Amino acid sequence: EIVMTQSPATLSVSQGERATLSCRASQSISSNLAWYRQKPGQAPRLLIYGASTRATGIPARFSGSGSGTEFTLTISSLQSEDFAVYYCQQYNDWPRFTFGPGTKVDIK
Amino acid sequence: EVQLVESGGGLVQRGGSLRLSCAASGFTFSRSSMNWVRQAPGKGLEWVSYISGSSSTIYYADSVKGRFTISRDNAKNSLYLQMNSLRAEDTAVYYCTVGSGSPSPIDFWGQGTLVTVSS
Repeated sequence: EIVMTQSPATLSVSQGERATLSCRASQSISSNLAWYRQKPGQAPRLLIYGASTRATGIPARFSGSGSGTEFTLTISSLQSEDFAVYYCQQYNDWPRFTFGPGTKVDIK
Repeated sequence: EVQLVESGGGLVQRGGSLRLSCAASGFTFSRSSMNWVRQAPGKGLEWVSYISGSSSTIYYADSVKGRFTISRDNAKNSLYLQMNSLRAEDTAVYYCTVGSGSPSPIDFWGQGTLVTVSS
């Protein structure tokens, strides 16, 4: 099983500031990496796939990078709706997806 | 617009059974592979099961293998999860999900249905 890890567990950021989240895979997953945002009480929403491609309707403040085992999600200027939990997911071993434990972005 | 609407969750005793359903619309269901993903209260996301469009290929997570059965009815645009021998650790919100191919991430999620297993 491919194990995904995320850091930090919690990130405290002020609105309008930049946030950088990290994700690591236990083995190479090429660019088969997605990011999701989950607001309280809601289902996750796809933000980024292919490590760096924004999903339909996702604003340009979200960007992804990386390949192999190391990945990053950057939110350039945090908006109120961005305070949420973010999960990375590998689909290289599709359909046996595995997710990271999540990074909670909260208000500083 | 893609819509996935789960139902069938509830409170069940340990060792009991429950059947979840997912009504799909807004896409060609019969051509789409589907997954169930769950999330225990306050915890992360766990993939549970996969079924191909024709039902010819099915996979399960080790944690549910032998206890859960995934199925679908393409005539009714519906996905199911039969859950038997339920354990406390099966308590979670269960999401019906769909992706766009292989390999691909999960493009759409339902709103989820809560299953609570009491001991």
